[in-house]
Amino acid sequence: EVQLLESGGGLVQPGGSLRLSCAASGFTFSSYSMTWVRQAPGKGLEWVTSISAGGDSTYYTGSVKGRFTISRDNSQNTLYLQMNSLRAEDTAVYYCAKEDLPGGPFYYFDGWGQGTLVTVSS
Amino acid sequence: EIVMTQSPATLSVSPGERATLSCRASQSVSSDLAWYQQKPGQAPRLLIYGASTRASGIPARFSGSGSGTEFTLTISSLQSEDFAVYYCQQYDNWPPSFGPGTKVDIK
Repeated sequence: EVQLLESGGGLVQPGGSLRLSCAASGFTFSSYSMTWVRQAPGKGLEWVTSISAGGDSTYYTGSVKGRFTISRDNSQNTLYLQMNSLRAEDTAVYYCAKEDLPGGPFYYFDGWGQGTLVTVSS
Repeated sequence: EIVMTQSPATLSVSPGERATLSCRASQSVSSDLAWYQQKPGQAPRLLIYGASTRASGIPARFSGSGSGTEFTLTISSLQSEDFAVYYCQQYDNWPPSFGPGTKVDIK
């Protein structure tokens, strides 16, 4: 059974930094591209960033490019999101998501974590 | 960037009735369209990919159709556990994008 467990969320001041982690189990982590999707309170889903299976290719939505960095450690089956220069509009639940097919990214997701809340406020 | 729209925003349906949800893309996405279900306080769950293929473990009462710019998710006979928000998502063009969602609630 696929399990994704996010951690690292919390309250941070504008301009601050936070690092999210996603521990994966139940599948061959190193074979799948991985993604972070966020959801602002009471709002819809927004794709944020993806990383290829080997970690050599990364992709970002425009509003986070240059501020967020996605990475992975395939030896530890863990996905990361380093978030710098945080803004109020980054406040959201952040989900890590697994691709349906190995390789990719193909950008649709058959496994999701429970999410971790990031609140950016003074 | 492709903009996804969904209608209606809210759909009130009685248990056992059929529900039809619509999704439209601002330009063609071929059949690269997924549907997700999200219940309050839970993560999304993949229902449909490739516009019409049910994901693993998804009941047959869920069906998807369409291609190009117009798509439909049909729930043939609503069960109590189906009351939720449904999102469509295109993955044909980068960046991937989600619709705003349709909330299916109890009539």
